Amino acid sequence: DGGITQSPKYLFRKEGQNVTLSCEQNLNHDAMYWYRQDPGQGLRLIYYSQIVNDFQKGDIAEGYSVSREKKESFPLTVTSAQKNPTAFYLCASSNFHGTGSSGANVLTFGAGSRLTVL
Amino acid sequence: AQSVTQLGSHVSVSEGALVLLRCNYSSSVPPYLFWYVQYPNQGLQLLLKYTTGATLVKGINGFEAEFKKSETSFHLTKPSAHMSDAAEYFCAVGGGADGLTFGKGTHLIIQP
Repeated sequence: DGGITQSPKYLFRKEGQNVTLSCEQNLNHDAMYWYRQDPGQGLRLIYYSQIVNDFQKGDIAEGYSVSREKKESFPLTVTSAQKNPTAFYLCASSNFHGTGSSGANVLTFGAGSRLTVL
Repeated sequence: AQSVTQLGSHVSVSEGALVLLRCNYSSSVPPYLFWYVQYPNQGLQLLLKYTTGATLVKGINGFEAEFKKSETSFHLTKPSAHMSDAAEYFCAVGGGADGLTFGKGTHLIIQP
């Protein structure tokens, strides 16, 4: 079945360490997204990518980095510069093709990765 | 800019009672509106969406929502709550290339 796979499900990190969260999709979607979820805060956009080798900052990109070398993969690195990295991270994808596309951009989500900084 | 306000961070209803989760939006363009559900430690699942056309939208699991432009609202309802409906519910606006803007969520509690 098609879907989005995020790994690891749970991750523990010491302060000062970088960590990379994996996101892989086999839906043949062009667009991919990373959101951060904190209790009572909803979801906030970190980065998004509409095509391979291109990505844009979201609302809270500071302390994070991404790459989009393959259509199906969009890994997120949480760097030591991120002051409060403990959170639940959600990856999503869609087949939205940008301006001129008909219909709404409907996002499909992975199961999430929970990062805890010790 | 677009934004969403969900009224009530927690809503508690009895099993079999009406479920009403409130969502108001702000948008400078005709909005696309969504409701997603999240079960503990899982991702988000689409319940329903409004794009254009009929203002009463039916979704999965017996949920529906009505788009009211005059009230800038998109409230989610279900006639009879079931224990399995206990979850976090998110209203969202957008649907363009930069994804969705989410509300802060409403935790639905079902009392037996």
